[in-house]
Amino acid sequence: QQQVKQSPQSLIVQKGGISIINCAYENTAFDYFPWYQQFPGKGPALLIAIRPDVSEKKEGRFTISFNKSAKQFSLHIMDSQPGDSATYFCAASRQGGGAQKLVFGQGTRLTINP
Amino acid sequence: KAGVTQTPRYLIKTRGQQVTLSCSPISGHRSVSWYQQTPGQGLQFLFEYFSETQRNKGNFPGRFSGRQFSNSRSEMNVSTLELGDSALYLCASSAPRGQETQYFGPGTRLLVL
Repeated sequence: QQQVKQSPQSLIVQKGGISIINCAYENTAFDYFPWYQQFPGKGPALLIAIRPDVSEKKEGRFTISFNKSAKQFSLHIMDSQPGDSATYFCAASRQGGGAQKLVFGQGTRLTINP
Repeated sequence: KAGVTQTPRYLIKTRGQQVTLSCSPISGHRSVSWYQQTPGQGLQFLFEYFSETQRNKGNFPGRFSGRQFSNSRSEMNVSTLELGDSALYLCASSAPRGQETQYFGPGTRLLVL
């Protein structure tokens, strides 16, 4: 019930293309869904996050699509650039009570070919 | 504003030893969480501290412990190290209640030989 499943494990996209990473969760109590980007040797950095009361959130080239009934959410990177090459993690948490505990997907290694 | 800092950045220990890692959160942040990152298991939650109290705990053995000081700085300790404890240990901080975003530090890479 605590799992977040992420796919694909790795993804290669041409420069200018759209990168799509998918995640599915089981626990319907989750109410906060962030995406993190991690470069080698660095800690994860928050990219964008969504709550289940909206179906889509866009920030620049990054968009989260959220399907509450299917318990799925995805990250779309438009006009992908070589600088986007990194590992991406989806996560979920239940914010009730104020406790902070992120459950992460397994990660997707994204490579953008120039 | 300075980000989350972690010390040391790299550490080599041998089996059976113990280790203490340190984390300084972003100024004003009172919640500090710790995560273990390995290639096989990914990012796994260890524990969270808020106002010097452990508020949440992951599924790790008792060899993993932590604490938080009055200035919100946190330490985690691993006793009787095992080879499988080799990992990147990440600390994340977040603002007082109502601010969900967790900001991660660069991590401490621990190698157990």
